[in-house]
Amino acid sequence: QVQLVQSGAEVKKPGSSVKVSCRASGGTLSNYIIDWVRQAPGQGFEWMGKIIPSVATPDYAQKFQGRVTITADKSASTVFMELSSLRSEDAAMYYCASFIVMGENGAFDIWGQGTMVIVSS
Amino acid sequence: EIVLTQSPATLSLSPGERATLSCRASQSVSTYLAWYQQKPGQAPRLLIYDASNRATGIPARFSGSGSGTDFTLTISSLEPEDFAVYFCQQRSKWPELTFGGGTKVEIK
Repeated sequence: QVQLVQSGAEVKKPGSSVKVSCRASGGTLSNYIIDWVRQAPGQGFEWMGKIIPSVATPDYAQKFQGRVTITADKSASTVFMELSSLRSEDAAMYYCASFIVMGENGAFDIWGQGTMVIVSS
Repeated sequence: EIVLTQSPATLSLSPGERATLSCRASQSVSTYLAWYQQKPGQAPRLLIYDASNRATGIPARFSGSGSGTDFTLTISSLEPEDFAVYFCQQRSKWPELTFGGGTKVEIK
């Protein structure tokens, strides 16, 4: 089964951008639905957007429109999430996760290990 | 945006006791609801999808029920490894999705 391997922790200054990668180990992401969600310390999860690498047209949460870019490198089986104009409230653990269609809807059955993003001047 | 409200925020129970967790949606999500378990420092693990279907490898002591706006996750008899935080999640209006705020099940 495919595993999702994310890039390492990042420390960024306010106003800068961060780009986090999510690589498939043991397979390809071509027909997977890959979502990005984040979790601030001690908080719940917030959906940021999703992409299907074989289609490559992303969808974004309204809250992040204009600030987030999700792309896919099909040949490398890697998905990227870039968040710009970082502010302190963007400090969080960022996860990529695979949404599998099961039954009538589906769920996230494969998660990356998470990438901590710290925003500090 | 569909808001998911979980209750209680914290549940203090002893091993062997029954845990009942609630997730209420601000509007109907049909049965398009999933439950996850998260332990400190780990990514979430899928427990239940489509409100009542156990994911592969999930013990039978975990069960889900509900439809529309009211959902329940039940752990019939708590094992030591079940003390964790539980989240519900819906994706009824594709592609958007939301999560509940979580319920922490702690040892009493």
